[in-house]
Amino acid sequence: KQEVTQIPAALSVPEGENLVLNCSFTDSAIYNLQWFRQDPGKGLTSLLLIQSSQREQTSGRLNASLDKSSGRSTLYIAASQPGDSATYLCAVTSGSARQLTFGSGTQLTVLP
Amino acid sequence: DAGVIQSPRHEVTEMGQEVTLRCKPISGHNSLFWYRQTMMRGLELLIYFNNNVPIDDSGMPEDRFSAKMPNASFSTLKIQPSEPRDSAVYFCASRLGQGNTEAFFGQGTRLTVV
Repeated sequence: KQEVTQIPAALSVPEGENLVLNCSFTDSAIYNLQWFRQDPGKGLTSLLLIQSSQREQTSGRLNASLDKSSGRSTLYIAASQPGDSATYLCAVTSGSARQLTFGSGTQLTVLP
Repeated sequence: DAGVIQSPRHEVTEMGQEVTLRCKPISGHNSLFWYRQTMMRGLELLIYFNNNVPIDDSGMPEDRFSAKMPNASFSTLKIQPSEPRDSAVYFCASRLGQGNTEAFFGQGTRLTVV
């Protein structure tokens, strides 16, 4: 059964810092990995999707990398802003049924 | 497209009552997921449909929970009878195809069972 882990569970940084969020998964036979953002009391917003054949994807200040063989992905946020404060979740599509399995998230706080 | 639409946004009900949550996926999407989110357990997959057929319902907690997808544009998640421990935010998500595309989430239904 696929298990997804995100470390750290919470992170607090001053505005302007570059930061890295980590995601690991136990079964490397994935179809893709997706990063989401969730604001308090809201739904999940898709940030980036990386296919299993890709190494990285970029969107604005966000860069996500994927090392499928080692079961790891990172989300790099450049020049963090208070508006980046949210919970970030990663999810992998895997298995014969192609389920979408989530990690528990990293709660990010960017201090002004 | 309006995105994934869930209703109601909030539901407060008494223990023992039947609760029905509704989801309209993005038009053209043929995969639909129901998740439950709590502080203690995070996001848990309840059931996953592909082309209106349940593919994986191993996450449905017990017989009190049932889900249907009568057509490509509508799904329901029913809890009967409801219990206080069912209190959570229930999310619906949809995507195109069987796993190579982005999943998009609705805004969720916050269920409180008193």
